Order: sequence, then C-alpha cells, then structure tokens
Amino acid sequence: AQSVAQPEDQVNVAEGNPLTVKCTYSVSGNPYLFWYVQYPNRGLQFLLKYITGDNLVKGSYGFEAEFNKSQTSFHLKKPSALVSDSALYFCAVRDMNSGNTPLVFGKGTRLSVIA
Amino acid sequence: SQTIHQWPATLVQPVGSPLSLECTVEGTSNPNLYWYRQAAGRGLQLLFYSVGIGQISSEVPQNLSASRPQDRQFILSSKKLLLSDSGFYLCAWSVGAGGSTDTQYFGPGTRLTVL
Repeated sequence: AQSVAQPEDQVNVAEGNPLTVKCTYSVSGNPYLFWYVQYPNRGLQFLLKYITGDNLVKGSYGFEAEFNKSQTSFHLKKPSALVSDSALYFCAVRDMNSGNTPLVFGKGTRLSVIA
Repeated sequence: SQTIHQWPATLVQPVGSPLSLECTVEGTSNPNLYWYRQAAGRGLQLLFYSVGIGQISSEVPQNLSASRPQDRQFILSSKKLLLSDSGFYLCAWSVGAGGSTDTQYFGPGTRLTVL
C-alpha cells in the first residue's frame, strides 16, 4: 500500500526566512513524488516532481524539494519565503510499479508567511 | 496546450435535489480523468477515476455517481443531495495510457453548498 504523511498541519514563517514543508512516504517499490500548491478557492497547481536522478528537484516559483531515500522523505523548501507563498501544500506519491493509478495525497500543510 | 474546465464554479442546492457537475479537457486525447472532493479546505478524497469512455472506478461508496459519455468529458451526479455532500469538487486529468511518472493536472473546482 502507498501512503504519504505531512506531519505538520500548519507552518508559520517570517517573510524572507527559509521555509520547509515536510513530507514522508511509504511505498513497496520505488516512489515517484509530487508537490502541489493550492490557493484559496482554486484547484491544485503542480509545483515539481521527483522521478529519478538528482535528489534535489527544482520547480516553479523558486521551490525545490529534496528526495531522501533512507529517511523516506521529500521535503519542500524555499530559501526565502514570500507572503504570496501562503497557501495549502500537498505532497503526493505513486509507486513506480503501480502504473498510471491515481496519486495518493497527504492531508496538506497550511503555510502562512508573515510580513 | 491542455486545458481543463469545470462548471459551474459555485452551486447552492437544497437537500434532496439532483446534482450534475461537468468537467471537460481540451488539447489531449483519451486522458485519465479523476473526481476529488475536498472538505473544509483540507485533504483530498478520491471519488472516481476513469481510464476511458464508460470505464469508471469508484473509490468510495456514497451518494454520488460518475459518467464519461465522451472521451474528454467527465460528469459527477447525484439523484438526491445530502448535507454531507457539501464541499469543493475538483476534477483532474493525466495522460492516458501513460506511466507511473505522469502528473495529474487539476481544474479550478466547483464549490457546492447543500442547504
């Protein structure tokens, strides 16, 4: 079975400070990992994904995520947070052996960037 | 480029009334299509997904049904709405016959309030 955990319901960061949104996963095979962002009353927007290769993945809006196989983690990071980064963030996983089945999503982490 | 549409954007319906939400995708053929519900601005619940016309997988037994009458059209329905059907409904698509690396792309969502 596949699962994703986002251990923090809420993350508060001061503008200009680095931010981290945590994600851990569980799959039987190798994982493909995704991050999405959702602004109020909007659909989810794709930020980035890890498939293979470099463990550090760069995505939209200056976000990046680091894949750590030994810790089964895929934390989302940004060096300098903006107030406009305030949103709901979702991590998702799919086992590489599961074909094109629906992604399994975490419960989401609400990021609040304070000016 | 591909575009996904959902309508209506918002809907207020009385308990016991029927429901029809529509999702269409442009710019691709034979996509995989998905319906999710999001309650209270938090986690996503996968309701249905479809890999082709007339092929629907139901993930959760409930008061809702889905149909795919055309290749790029996905409809969510109910014969009699319940208060618990209120929420934010999201449609998504991914490349059909793709692999486990494929990204899901989300529509703008429909806000349903059942009174």
